[in-house]
Amino acid sequence: NAGVTQTPKFRILKIGQSMTLQCAQDMNHNYMYWYRQDPGMGLKLIYYSVGAGITDKGEVPNGYNVSRSTTEDFPLRLELAAPSQTSVYFCASSYSAGGSSYEQYFGPGTRLTVT
Amino acid sequence: KNQVEQSPQSLIILEGKNCTLQCNYTVSPFSNLRWYKQDTGRGPVSLTIMTFSENTKSNGRYTATLDADTKQSSLHITASQLSDSASYICVVKVYSGGGADGLTFGKGTHLIIQP
Repeated sequence: NAGVTQTPKFRILKIGQSMTLQCAQDMNHNYMYWYRQDPGMGLKLIYYSVGAGITDKGEVPNGYNVSRSTTEDFPLRLELAAPSQTSVYFCASSYSAGGSSYEQYFGPGTRLTVT
Repeated sequence: KNQVEQSPQSLIILEGKNCTLQCNYTVSPFSNLRWYKQDTGRGPVSLTIMTFSENTKSNGRYTATLDADTKQSSLHITASQLSDSASYICVVKVYSGGGADGLTFGKGTHLIIQP
């Protein structure tokens, strides 16, 4: 199993540009998440999905959009990039059958710089 | 407001020595507490997940303790190795009935093992 994969690993955007961060998992997990990690700060939840076709906002959703058309893929869309979106983005997945002690598996991250 | 505080922010120890990392939280109602290891440039990897009834949990040379009364947890690393150099993140989950959100991440302790 490849686990959770993310592309690209690095990206530099100009202010106002748009891009999509890709995330895929091959563990048949129903839950998927997008986090951002700023220097010296804890991870913040951007969006999450509990299954194909179902998404919901996390703590910091402004400036982002997501979709979940398949169990495997959970892309994150940045519209009109701003310097405040410079961060490292992590995708994660987990399986939960209704319990809360699920283990999350993280991807390697995408380092995004907006200038 | 749910908060997770970790100490120290950073720690340098010699290879072979033991160390203990601290985590205090104000998350309520409590569901579970996790410790993650994050190597530089990588995504977090789960070390342990502890529920309310668990006081101690081990994973190799890593031992986590939980005191739900005082809302404190510690991660003890025995006989440190160079590969233990990483950030260690404490994460607490609030009981939300679901499984998709409610995770509060600490800022992490940056551990450096010197030869």
